[in-house]
Amino acid sequence: NAGVTQTPKFQVLKTGQSMTLQCAQDMNHEYMSWYRQDPGMGLRLIHYSVGAGITDQGEVPNGYNVSRSTTEDFPLRLLSAAPSQTSVYFCASSYSAGRDQPQHFGDGTRLSIL
Amino acid sequence: GESVGLHLPTLSVQEGDNSIINCAYSNSASDYFIWYKQESGKGPQFIIDIRSNMDKRQGQRVTVLLNKTVKHLSLQIAATQPGDSAVYFCAENTPDYGGSQGNLIFGKGTKLSVKP
Repeated sequence: NAGVTQTPKFQVLKTGQSMTLQCAQDMNHEYMSWYRQDPGMGLRLIHYSVGAGITDQGEVPNGYNVSRSTTEDFPLRLLSAAPSQTSVYFCASSYSAGRDQPQHFGDGTRLSIL
Repeated sequence: GESVGLHLPTLSVQEGDNSIINCAYSNSASDYFIWYKQESGKGPQFIIDIRSNMDKRQGQRVTVLLNKTVKHLSLQIAATQPGDSAVYFCAENTPDYGGSQGNLIFGKGTKLSVKP
């Protein structure tokens, strides 16, 4: 019962570095998404994908890229890390891109940018 | 813009009591709502959902009530246990946000503390 798996769990970067946060799900879900969680801000949508080869921007996409080459994987790339990107990042998936679908979350990646 | 908010940021209850966590939403077009539980160091965990054509839905020890007239959502937890201590989020889905996709708008969360 792996569900949604995120790696790494923790990461410290220096300003200007780039990195990729990995997300994989084994439930054959079509819809996947990335959120960031900041204190007092709730979860905010960064990017999402309704299926392999299709991605779109969410509420806070600047500074992040995504791709969806397979159904299972949805990596999030930080192009040039900034201290404002210090946050906890969650990946989520749901069965289809239709509405009325609860999303299932991974346990997050805690990212600190120095 | 549209947002989901919570009336109480923290809630402290005695073990065995019932808990009620409230949520206000501002978009009358929202038609699907979810409650999530988040324990420390973990991702949000799905608890229960409700569609706008319903006003009540029950699960195991949990009940969600939806009042569309005042745009209010609540989560009731019966016989609250120490294991219920967590942050609870409501989330809404609206046709105005992300079109037909399942994009959710989250509230800021309520921390529930259960005293033994």
